[in-house]
Amino acid sequence: DGGITQSPKYLFRKEGQNVTLSCEQNLNHDAMYWYRQDPGQGLRLIYYSQIVNDFQKGDIAEGYSVSREKKESFPLTVTSAQKNPTAFYLCASTQIRDRRSEAFFGQGTRLTVV
Amino acid sequence: AQKITQTQPGMFVQEKEAVTLDCTYDTSDQSYGLFWYKQPSSGEMIFLIYQGSYDEQNATEGRYSLNFQKARKSANLVISASQLGDSAMYFCAMREGETSYDKVIFGPGTSLSVIP
Repeated sequence: DGGITQSPKYLFRKEGQNVTLSCEQNLNHDAMYWYRQDPGQGLRLIYYSQIVNDFQKGDIAEGYSVSREKKESFPLTVTSAQKNPTAFYLCASTQIRDRRSEAFFGQGTRLTVV
Repeated sequence: AQKITQTQPGMFVQEKEAVTLDCTYDTSDQSYGLFWYKQPSSGEMIFLIYQGSYDEQNATEGRYSLNFQKARKSANLVISASQLGDSAMYFCAMREGETSYDKVIFGPGTSLSVIP
């Protein structure tokens, strides 16, 4: 079955460490996105990529980095520069079509700083 | 400035009744799309319904319909015949622009609880 796989589901990080969240899709979608969700809040865009080897900053990119070396993969690294990384992270992708194309989401990764 | 406003942080509805979840948006673009997503407690985001700014008719998908009032910039979600499984967070979202590559921004969400 086609879909988006995020791993791990739960992740614990010590302060000062970098961690990488995985996002893989087999939907043949060109565009991929990373969102952050804090309790009781909506989703905020961190980074997005419209094509391999290219990506753009979203609204809250500081302290995060991404790469897009393959169409299927869009990993997110939460660096030690991110002051408050504890949150729920969602990866999404969109098919090439028109603006009515909905985003498909992964199951999310819950990151906790300990 | 907040582009998507959902003024109801929490809503309750009796099972089998209809409920309306409010969404207002702010954009200067003529071309945009509006989405509604459902997020159960498990965390995944489930696409429910889409409305384009140029669509002449209100969108419907099964028990979901969208009350689109373009001049008022509102896109309220109507859920008919509520079921216990409808209890979840609901997010209104907007994509400005013509392509599916443009970023999608989300509102703060409304928590819906269906009472037996």
